[in-house]
Amino acid sequence: GNSVTQMEGPVTLSEEAFLTINCTYTATGYPSLFWYVQYPGEGLQLLLKATKADDKGSNKGFEATYRKETTSFHLEKGSVQVSDSAVYFCALSYTDKLIFGTGTRLQVFP
Amino acid sequence: DTAVSQTPKYLVTQMGNDKSIKCEQNLGHDTMYWYKQDSKKFLKIMFSYNNKELIINETVPNRFSPKSPDKAHLNLHINSLELGDSAVYFCASSYSYEQYFGPGTRLTVT
Repeated sequence: GNSVTQMEGPVTLSEEAFLTINCTYTATGYPSLFWYVQYPGEGLQLLLKATKADDKGSNKGFEATYRKETTSFHLEKGSVQVSDSAVYFCALSYTDKLIFGTGTRLQVFP
Repeated sequence: DTAVSQTPKYLVTQMGNDKSIKCEQNLGHDTMYWYKQDSKKFLKIMFSYNNKELIINETVPNRFSPKSPDKAHLNLHINSLELGDSAVYFCASSYSYEQYFGPGTRLTVT
């Protein structure tokens, strides 16, 4: 079946550190891939997306590349800020629905 | 100018009661969803409607009944509430692959 696996958190970093949150997927066909972010007490916001292999999604300094050969969509940011502290969800689209990973909490300290 | 709105934001009620959560989107999208997020932040789709028609029903107890009076609204009615229904419920809408989420309704059943 279709599924998304994310690294377990929390991920704890100091400000300006490099961030990687791993995401791998299992899917039939060629899904679109997404990263959503959930700030404390808020709903999910789309952070970035990629719709086909080798596409790179980017937004607010975050990047992720759709790697078909490794079925991965890892999220990276070169220099995190305290304001990036949130829960990050990797997701894939299958027919009309999104399948989410379990979420990874990121905590950034000054 | 809220794109996807939900009411109420918080709902505290006793076991056995019946309650409703309302969702409205002003994005002109045809498809709307209900998701449940448990205490561990795991997100799971419950229902999806396209232009007022149910298209996804993910093995949700029949105590949960969605209703879509028009394509801008998708309400969720829950009968005979149980302790395990305590969660955050998110409404979302979409056009194509991107989904836009509401702020969530935190339901606490005591």
